[in-house]
Amino acid sequence: QPVVTQSSSASASLGSSVKLTCTLSSGHSNYIIAWHQQQPGKAPRYLMKLEGSGNYNKGSGVPDRFSGSSSGADRYLTISNLQSEDEADYYCETWDSNTWVFGGGTKLTVL
Amino acid sequence: EVQLVESGGGLVQPGGSLRLSCAASGFTVSSNYMSWVRQAPGKGLEWLSLIYSGGSTYYADSVKGRFAISRDNSKNTLYLQMNSLRADDTAVYYCARESAAWGQGTLVTVSS
Repeated sequence: QPVVTQSSSASASLGSSVKLTCTLSSGHSNYIIAWHQQQPGKAPRYLMKLEGSGNYNKGSGVPDRFSGSSSGADRYLTISNLQSEDEADYYCETWDSNTWVFGGGTKLTVL
Repeated sequence: EVQLVESGGGLVQPGGSLRLSCAASGFTVSSNYMSWVRQAPGKGLEWLSLIYSGGSTYYADSVKGRFAISRDNSKNTLYLQMNSLRADDTAVYYCARESAAWGQGTLVTVSS
């Protein structure tokens, strides 16, 4: 069963860019993941599915400021031109053998 | 437009039961895989259960034997039957469509 690891927190300034990382466990480096955003007090929102190749497929209405990329076992979510509403928890998710797993989430603070 | 609306949460005593519903619109529940995910207060997301379009069901170890996922195709609704509830089942419960759409959640509190 795969494990996904995320840093617990990140911060960046308004208008800048930030790159969040989700790392897949050994033996699972080619797995597809999904990124989700959870703003304070709200339900999660699907952002994108991201392949090991770096190809990604965003959800409806997700701004162009959000993009994905991959390198080995790492999956990245890059947010450009940070806005105050981007302050949220970001979770990655993957699946295998009929089991789904979430990372612990990264709390993004916009300074 | 895809929409998922959970209901059925509330306060229940330890050892009690509760059935959550997730009414779907904008798509057919039976044509997708559907999941239940929960979030304990101040904690991260935890996958609980999944039902495939073919009807196969799967569970996290934390709820296996206590929770049961099902659907009613005529009502286009997903369910989660929760039995033998414990204090650590207290959480907001979300339904999700193929990891790509989420409901707004329903709060379950297990307390005496």
